[in-house]
Amino acid sequence: ETGVTQSPTHLIKTRGQQVTLRCSSQSGHNTVSWYQQALGQGPQFIFQYYREEENGRGNFPPRFSGLQFPNYSSELNVNALELDDSALYLCASSLVAGAETQYFGPGTRLLVL
Amino acid sequence: DQQVKQNSPSLSVQEGRISILNCDYTNSMFDYFLWYKKYPAEGPTFLISISSIKDKNEDGRFTVFLNKSAKHLSLHIVPSQPGDSAVYFCAASESNFNKFYFGSGTKLNVKP
Repeated sequence: ETGVTQSPTHLIKTRGQQVTLRCSSQSGHNTVSWYQQALGQGPQFIFQYYREEENGRGNFPPRFSGLQFPNYSSELNVNALELDDSALYLCASSLVAGAETQYFGPGTRLLVL
Repeated sequence: DQQVKQNSPSLSVQEGRISILNCDYTNSMFDYFLWYKKYPAEGPTFLISISSIKDKNEDGRFTVFLNKSAKHLSLHIVPSQPGDSAVYFCAASESNFNKFYFGSGTKLNVKP
């Protein structure tokens, strides 16, 4: 059983650009959540997807959007990047929606210049 | 609006002694509380959890205590080992588990 993987590991973008981050969940996990972790802060919940539908959303603007695919992979898309979007982006998968335990990937470090 | 708070950014203890990490929350609807451990360049790893119907849960050297009236939980590590040195996050969720709120973390350093 493979763990949760994320790509790329690091990324540099400029303000106004768009970015797509990718996550591959553990096999059989049909729920994925995305988090933003700014420096010195804890992970902030962006949204959760369950069976390819959004299942919950945190206080993030619509320019943060996601997709989940049947093969247990998912994407986080951020449009019109701002300097404050610089952070570590974590995805976490769980076996089912409503499962208390999530398995995190190592994250993608995004720097917006 | 920080619904889960960890007010101690760092903690240093001697190997073999007890480590106590604290966490406070404001939302009385939270039903489930978790502790995660994070090493550099890795994602958080689940450590231990407790539901609101309990006041204590133990797993080996790790014990979590929940005081619902004070909206406070703590993680005790006994005895502390150098390998426990990491950042510890507490997290909370309502019963639907579709949104988790994390604290800002406490960096634990266990000195040999």
